[in-house]
Amino acid sequence: DAGVIQSPRHEVTEMGQEVTLRCKPISGHDYLFWYRQTMMRGLELLIYFNNNVPIDDSGMPEDRFSAKMPNASFSTLKIQPSEPRDSAVYFCASSSDRSLQFFGPGTRLTVL
Amino acid sequence: DQQVKQNSPSLSVQEGRISILNCDYTNSMFDYFLWYKKYPAEGPTFLISISSIKDKNEDGRFTVFLNKSAKHLSLHIVPSQPGDSAVYFCAARYDYKLSFGAGTTVTVRA
Repeated sequence: DAGVIQSPRHEVTEMGQEVTLRCKPISGHDYLFWYRQTMMRGLELLIYFNNNVPIDDSGMPEDRFSAKMPNASFSTLKIQPSEPRDSAVYFCASSSDRSLQFFGPGTRLTVL
Repeated sequence: DQQVKQNSPSLSVQEGRISILNCDYTNSMFDYFLWYKKYPAEGPTFLISISSIKDKNEDGRFTVFLNKSAKHLSLHIVPSQPGDSAVYFCAARYDYKLSFGAGTTVTVRA
C-alpha cells in the first residue's frame, strides 16, 4: 500500500488567497483525521471523519477553515481566506480502528 | 490546555547507551498510549503502544512503561543507534482522538 498521500507537499500563498490541501487515506481505512503542527501549539487535531461523515470538528480554529470528504478515498481541507498565522504543517492520518493512526508526509503551508 | 506533556525538548545520548524519554498526562480517561517517531519532512510513524490495563510493553529495542497512578509513561530505547535520531511524540487516546505531547528530539552521538 502507498500509505496516506497528501498534496501538495509545499504550498506558498499570499494572505487572502484560498488554499486547498488534499488527502488520500489508506484504502480500507474508514477514519480520517486532519492535524496541524505549529511551534506554539504542537500537533493538534482539527477534525476527523468516520465513513466520510465529519464526527468532531471542535479543533477547527475558525470559520475560515472547512473540510470535506466526498468519498472514501479523498478529503480536502480548505482555508479561505488564508492568513499568515495559518502557516504550519498540516497532516492527514487514517485509521481502521481505535488503536493506530497512520500519518501522511504532511503539507507545509506558508502564507505571506 | 496541554493534557499530554513531554517536559524534555531534547535528549543527547551516546550510541549503544540507553535513551529514556518521559511523558506525563492529566486526563484519567485516556485508555491507550502510543509513541510516534518523526524524521524531518516526514509524517509521524508509529513506534510502540500500550494499553492502560498494562504496565509494560516491549518490542525489540523499544520498551514502554506505564505508571497509571502517577499518570506517567516512559519509552526506553536500548541500545540507542544513530538511526534513532528523530523527534519522538507521546500520544494518548480518548475515544478516537489522540492528544500529542510537544515532542522530544533525540540525538544519538557516535
